[in-house]
Amino acid sequence: GAVVSQHPSRVICKSGTSVKIECRSLDFQATTMFWYRQFPKQSLMLMATSNEGSKATYEQGVEKDKFLINHASLTLSTLTVTSAHPEDSSFYICSATRWGDRHYGYTFGSGTRLTVV
Amino acid sequence: GESVGLHLPTLSVQEGDNSIINCAYSNSASDYFIWYKQESGKGPQFIIDIRSNMDKRQGQRVTVLLNKTVKHLSLQIAATQPGDSAVYFCAETSNFGNEKLTFGTGTRLTIIP
Repeated sequence: GAVVSQHPSRVICKSGTSVKIECRSLDFQATTMFWYRQFPKQSLMLMATSNEGSKATYEQGVEKDKFLINHASLTLSTLTVTSAHPEDSSFYICSATRWGDRHYGYTFGSGTRLTVV
Repeated sequence: GESVGLHLPTLSVQEGDNSIINCAYSNSASDYFIWYKQESGKGPQFIIDIRSNMDKRQGQRVTVLLNKTVKHLSLQIAATQPGDSAVYFCAETSNFGNEKLTFGTGTRLTIIP
């Protein structure tokens, strides 16, 4: 089955620093990767859609200069939270899929718990 | 349906009983629907999916029902077990794989021993 690895699983950083989160599709080439954010007891909110080799498409209200997404290859996408602040503390989850191929579905990573202090 | 940031509704079910979790969606163009299970501190785990040309699909102990007329989706879990305790989300999309998934509000299911 499709496997998506997300790293790190949890990170604590100081306010003002940047944090990079990696999302890798381990056994398939993902044409599209999605980044979500989830606050406690709430649903997943899509932040951006990332296609390999092109710029990410951000959802309304998501600052693209703050949440930098790089999708350098068909198996790796990264989310960098720049100049992190305590309000950026959240659970970040990536998802990978291959267009039109239901075998791989939308596979999710295990999430990254970011705490900004 | 669209998540509006509300706190999760909850459902408590006695172990061994059946549970039904409901979801309303708003986009009539959605043609693919998925139910996910999310345990605390983990990413969503695929349970079952259904395309819009079907109204029912069964898996192991789970059944998904789709009513396109009223834009309603349900997940039935038979003979619930303690391990079924989790948060369940429905998600919808169109143009599979090329379009984003939109998640519903979610329901917290608690199995009472």
